[in-house]
Amino acid sequence: GDSVTQMEGPVTLSEEAFLTINCTYTATGYPSLFWYVQYPGEGLQLLLKATKADDKGSNKGFEATYRKETTSFHLEKGSVQVSDSAVYFCALTGGQGAQKLVFGQGTRLTINP
Amino acid sequence: ETGVTQSPTHLIKTRGQQVTLRCSSQSGHNTVSWYQQALGQGPQFIFQYYREEENGRGNFPPRFSGLQFPNYSSELNVNALELDDSALYLCASSLVAGGQNEQFFGPGTRLTVL
Repeated sequence: GDSVTQMEGPVTLSEEAFLTINCTYTATGYPSLFWYVQYPGEGLQLLLKATKADDKGSNKGFEATYRKETTSFHLEKGSVQVSDSAVYFCALTGGQGAQKLVFGQGTRLTINP
Repeated sequence: ETGVTQSPTHLIKTRGQQVTLRCSSQSGHNTVSWYQQALGQGPQFIFQYYREEENGRGNFPPRFSGLQFPNYSSELNVNALELDDSALYLCASSLVAGGQNEQFFGPGTRLTVL
């Protein structure tokens, strides 16, 4: 079945550092890819998405490019802030039927001032 | 526009009991999905409801059941609770069942089974 694998955390960086969180996937067909963020005590928020190969999703300085050849969707940000501290989830949905999200295990990010 | 709301926020039950969790979808959304998020894990899809019918189910036993009402709000019922059912239960609503429509998540209900 479909699956998502994320780099294991936790990840700790200093403010203004460059961030990469790796995500690879296995899926049949042509999935859509997502990054969700979960702040402490809150539900999931969609951060960005890409629906086809070579699409780049971007939001709040975060970017991720849908790479079909490497089945990857790595999350990047050029300069992180303390407010970016959260848990980040990579996810996919298949193209048919119920829009079931398949999530990775999450990566906890902590940014120190 | 009101977002997705869930109740209760926290719940403590004992093994063997039954529990009902509630979700109000975002205004205008007719599809509700439920997910279980164990501590330190990503959410796992339980099932989806579209226009009051189950529209897909994940790998969860029949003691997990649901309902969707005419106003598109939804309930998740879990019978014969087990310790492993302790988790954060997330509800998400979307405009339609298929396609690439964004799912909007509620804050979740944290269930503890003792």
